[in-house]
Amino acid sequence: GAVVSQHPSRVICKSGTSVKIECRSLDFQATTMFWYRQFPKQSLMLMATSNEGSKATYEQGVEKDKFLINHASLTLSTLTVTSAHPEDSSFYICSAGAFSYNEQFFGPGTRLTVL
Amino acid sequence: AQSVTQLGSHVSVSEGALVLLRCNYSSSVPPYLFWYVQYPNQGLQLLLKYTSAATLVKGINGFEAEFKKSETSFHLTKPSAHMSDAAEYFCAVSDGKRDDKIIFGKGTRLHILP
Repeated sequence: GAVVSQHPSRVICKSGTSVKIECRSLDFQATTMFWYRQFPKQSLMLMATSNEGSKATYEQGVEKDKFLINHASLTLSTLTVTSAHPEDSSFYICSAGAFSYNEQFFGPGTRLTVL
Repeated sequence: AQSVTQLGSHVSVSEGALVLLRCNYSSSVPPYLFWYVQYPNQGLQLLLKYTSAATLVKGINGFEAEFKKSETSFHLTKPSAHMSDAAEYFCAVSDGKRDDKIIFGKGTRLHILP
């Protein structure tokens, strides 16, 4: 149990386009989902926290108009990178938390490459 | 504010030798502590977690960690390294609330020498 999936696993896009990444909790209801960004050979940096049905809380320095987060249901959160640029190329990882657990469960990550 | 510091961005051990990855934490409240492993181009896998119960925590793949409040440490150990242990390891802390964010250390790359 407690499986989190992400789609797509890899995406390549042109500069200026928008990309949507999905994060799904497959076998549990996630009250909170988290989005992280990981640059090569670096740690995970929390971008935002999203609770179902409410606006996401963004970490300092993260542009909320550029990284749109929607958490429309207890099993799905989406991250849209708008007007992507090469510097947005990164590994994006989501995680999900639930009341019945004392931990977050991480998705497998999405590799975004912006040309 | 909570934080973790991982000592050594790279650690190399011989196959069969003891693995010791160091982590010190800072927290104003009793922390929850985690160790995660990440293989290249993959997500994170939880190795073990400390949630204020037993101070010696056993995890998967033969890893264990000991919570030492007096030293604010949560070092990860494994008695005998295996080639498959080569990966990136992250220590992390949260304040224990179900929906609280997790703060990660910078990571330690473990290299296993044949």
